[in-house]
Amino acid sequence: GAGVSQSPSNKVTEKGKDVELRCDPISGHTALYWYRQSLGQGLEFLIYFQGNSAPDKSGLPSDRFSAERTGGSVSTLTIQRTQQEDSAVYLCASSLGGWGQGSPLHFGNGTRLTVT
Amino acid sequence: QKEVEQNSGPLSVPEGAIASLNCTYSDRGSQSFFWYRQYSGKSPELIMSIYSNGDKEDGRFTAQLNKASQYVSLLIRDSQPSDSATYLCAVSGGGSSNTGKLIFGQGTTLQVKP
Repeated sequence: GAGVSQSPSNKVTEKGKDVELRCDPISGHTALYWYRQSLGQGLEFLIYFQGNSAPDKSGLPSDRFSAERTGGSVSTLTIQRTQQEDSAVYLCASSLGGWGQGSPLHFGNGTRLTVT
Repeated sequence: QKEVEQNSGPLSVPEGAIASLNCTYSDRGSQSFFWYRQYSGKSPELIMSIYSNGDKEDGRFTAQLNKASQYVSLLIRDSQPSDSATYLCAVSGGGSSNTGKLIFGQGTTLQVKP
């Protein structure tokens, strides 16, 4: 596709349930990122995948959060046993090269997660 | 100290004026600097990138970088109501661990009044 695609666009879940968020990056982009944005706040880094390298997971807030990237393309962010503080917009981005190469990020439209 | 700092605003300017948005960063080894614009309820979109000291102009936008002062700014000339948005400064990490991690500031909200 022309841009970064995320699904679902909205997700409402009950506290304690698991959720999966999907990201399909721009074709040919080697780097993929997940950020989280709470209402009125800036972007909080979660995880970064670059090619076949081990992902940078340093931003994941707890062990309830995990992410994988299959075949160097599609990524899934999983949140287990969701809590109300997990409510936020989860943004995925991709770039042609990695961070160190100064490549700009292209963002998807995000998944708005609401935990009730 | 936050890694990337911006005044949250709101910054209010009249239509046609110059809007000046500022950003400071803590990692002296940072190499890449970006400005993103985010309309309410939308995702960030890249508007400017700058990698070396000095000014870079693109239409009504000028990015300015001063690595010695660890300061990057964005000037918007002839501001329009459609420029009203939150502007996010993003800086690639450097330092000894240098993963090049891209760190975002909290954003400055700009309001351009007709």
